[in-house]
Amino acid sequence: NAGVTQTPKFQVLKTGQSMTLQCAQDMNHEYMSWYRQDPGMGLRLIHYSVGAGITDQGEVPNGYNVSRSTTEDFPLRLLSAAPSQTSVYFCASSYSRDRGHEQFFGPGTRLTVL
Amino acid sequence: GQQVMQIPQYQHVQEGEDFTTYCNSSTTLSNIQWYKQRPGGHPVFLIQLVKSGEVKKQKRLTFQFGEAKKNSSLHITATQTTDVGTYFCAGPGAGGTSYGKLTFGQGTILTVHP
Repeated sequence: NAGVTQTPKFQVLKTGQSMTLQCAQDMNHEYMSWYRQDPGMGLRLIHYSVGAGITDQGEVPNGYNVSRSTTEDFPLRLLSAAPSQTSVYFCASSYSRDRGHEQFFGPGTRLTVL
Repeated sequence: GQQVMQIPQYQHVQEGEDFTTYCNSSTTLSNIQWYKQRPGGHPVFLIQLVKSGEVKKQKRLTFQFGEAKKNSSLHITATQTTDVGTYFCAGPGAGGTSYGKLTFGQGTILTVHP
């Protein structure tokens, strides 16, 4: 199993550009989440999903969209990049709460917005 | 909304000294999880505590869950340079699809001086 994979590993955008961060998992996990990590701020939840077709907002959803058409994939879309979105983005997946809920994280995407 | 506070934010120790990080939630938690993130890496699951007053050990690491299930601690005995990293606690949401999200503490950055 590859676990949780994220692409790209690094990305530089100009203000106003849009892009999609890809996330995939091959563990048949129901739950998937996107976090951003900034110095001193810990991991802040952007959006999460409890199954295909079901998504919900986390703590910092503005400027980001998600969809979950399959169990495996959970892409994160930046609609119009801003310098405040410079961060490290982690995707994570887990079984449902009743099955342990341990989160498996991907390696992260380092995004810089100029 | 649910808040998870973690202290201290930074801890510098000499190799061989003990280390403790504390986690406090604004709400009662059904469980609490602990993660470790090595510098430049992604968070990795350490343990989950579920029961009131639960204590679990992993070699030199001792995890406790408070009686009221609103606080937790991680204690490392005789730190080693391999313990360097950021330690996070995380608690799940309650009710409906909130089960799918975790709220992370800000993390404690541990530095171990040889």
